[in-house]
This record gives sequence, C-alpha cells and structure tokens, in this order.
Amino acid sequence: DVVLTQTPPTLSATIGQSVSISCRSSQSLLDSDGDTYLNWLLQRPGQSPQLLIYSVSNLESGVPNRFSGSGSETDFTLKISGVEAEDLGVYYCMQATHAPWTFGGGTKLELK
Amino acid sequence: EVQLVESGGGLVQPGRSLKLSCAASGFTFSNYYMAWVRQAPKKGLEWVATISTSGSRTYYPDSVKGRFTISRDNAKSSLYLQMNSLKSEDTATYYCARLGGYRAFDYWGQGVMVTVSS
Repeated sequence: DVVLTQTPPTLSATIGQSVSISCRSSQSLLDSDGDTYLNWLLQRPGQSPQLLIYSVSNLESGVPNRFSGSGSETDFTLKISGVEAEDLGVYYCMQATHAPWTFGGGTKLELK
Repeated sequence: EVQLVESGGGLVQPGRSLKLSCAASGFTFSNYYMAWVRQAPKKGLEWVATISTSGSRTYYPDSVKGRFTISRDNAKSSLYLQMNSLKSEDTATYYCARLGGYRAFDYWGQGVMVTVSS
C-alpha cells in the first residue's frame, strides 16, 4: 500500500502567518493516464472532512485562494498564505492513484 | 444543495452484522461514483469502499474485503454498506462521500457512528 507521510504532525501559527504542510509518498503518484491523484482535505473540529485541493494544485470551488497546492511524483505541499481562524483543524493528503486509496496521518493546525 | 445523510449506525456485538444507509439529494445520484470512508475514534481517515455509477463495479481495501458490501439504488438515490462479521477494529464514524472529478471526495455526509463491542 502507498504510505503518505505528512509533516509536521502539528503546526502552530498566528493569524496572518503563512504555513506549509508536506506530504511525501512511498511511490510516485503519477498515474499511467498522465494525471496525479493527490488531494488535500481539511477536517475542522467536530465536522466532516471537506475537499480543498484536487489533483495536486486545483482549488475546489468555494475554497479561498489563500490555499494552494504544488508538487509532483512523491513530494507535495499545501500552502496557506495568511492563516485565518477558520483554517484551524486537521489537514489530510489523500492519494487515489494506487489501490487501495490511502490518506496521510494528518497535520493539526492550531493557533499559537 | 448537495446533501448526504447517513443512518443505521449503533452498537453491535463482534461477529454480528449492520447495514448503513446514505440518502443523497441535490444532485443526479446516478451520475456519480460513491464511496464510504471511516474514521476510528481520534484517528485518521480510511477508505472503505467505492461503487461505480451503475453498481456493477465495486472496490475495497483488504481490511474489509469479503466482509463489507457496498451497493446502491439509483431509483432511491441511496447508498448502502452491508457490514458482516464485524470486529472491534471496525469501530468508527462512517462517512458517505461523493466521488467527483480526479477521484476526489467532493462532498461528505455528517457521518454515522458504529461501535463494535460486547
């Protein structure tokens, strides 16, 4: 199975600070069809997960553009340019290139 | 507005069965692959099952293959998860999720709790 390793596990930030979360894969996530199925989700406290970014760098409709995704093959990054209070929660990367689909262990973003 | 509402959770003894349901609304259900994803208490997310638009193709990880069955009724806009031979490690919140483009879960239900314990 593909293992996704997220770092750091916990991130403390102040409002307005820019932060990055890393997601490293044990295998290349470039599919034979040319797409890379690496997505980012946010789970706010007490809520269901919500999709932020799909296919590495595509912003889901309605998601603020302070969120951005980048990367390729095995190394991926989610960046938040100017953290806001509503961004607090646990961030997960998820791959759907290889079966079984797997999630990273999560990165908890909290206020400093 | 897209809505996914799960039901059918509860407390069940090890080895017994339980069937979860997910009622979908706000979109053309038959046009989308659907899935179940679970989250054990204080843990991360785990993909459980995916089903094609017609229901003819289903996919599972090894952890549930042979015990869980995903199905759908497009006429009722409903998704199901039949869980047999339940184990304590199946204790989790189960989410119904819609599979959008690029194999991304673009909508999630509120989740339903399943507790497997004697």
